[in-house]
Amino acid sequence: GIQVEQSPPDLILQEGANSTLRCNFSDSVNNLQWFHQNPWGQLINLFYIPSGTKQNGRLSATTVATERYSLLYISSSQTTDSGVYFCAALLYNNNDMRFGAGTRLTVKP
Amino acid sequence: DVKVTQSSRYLVKRTGEKVFLECVQDMDHENMFWYRQDPGLGLRLIYFSYDVKMKEKGDIPEGYSVSREKKERFSLILESASTNQTSMYLCASSLLGGSSTDTQYFGPGTRLTVL
Repeated sequence: GIQVEQSPPDLILQEGANSTLRCNFSDSVNNLQWFHQNPWGQLINLFYIPSGTKQNGRLSATTVATERYSLLYISSSQTTDSGVYFCAALLYNNNDMRFGAGTRLTVKP
Repeated sequence: DVKVTQSSRYLVKRTGEKVFLECVQDMDHENMFWYRQDPGLGLRLIYFSYDVKMKEKGDIPEGYSVSREKKERFSLILESASTNQTSMYLCASSLLGGSSTDTQYFGPGTRLTVL
């Protein structure tokens, strides 16, 4: 099945810094999503982005489907951005969405 | 806003007990999913359902079963709980039937401890 790898596994930032999280996937996908899991365990959908670029406030994401990777950009990070960021990919003709292991982000004041 | 609720945030059970985890969504979504989340492994799909009374196995169905008698409710059943089923369980739903090519919305999770 499809493999999804995220990097880095852990990231510590000072408030106000920018960061880039990466998600590599091993096969062509028709669904790529980024989620943020807050410290209370709630998973919130950030982007549905099988290809192209989307922006939502300080967050943006880019998926280059032909090269099998997606990037999540966080600008001017805030302490509330802390948590674990997951990407998840769904292979064509498959109902099984695969999650990466996550990137744990800590933003320090 | 889509709302996905799970019956318990925290649950403690003993080995061998039968455990029911309930999930309800209020947006008439076709698809519902059960995942477990373990450190370093991300989320892994246990079962999903794309219609009432329909179910499909995910990556790790062993030791679990599911029930979907009504569209809004998807239950995960641990027939005989074991310590290796201690985990965070997350339910999700998405609008479209037949495939997961749509945004998934997650419940708050149930942290299950099996002693």
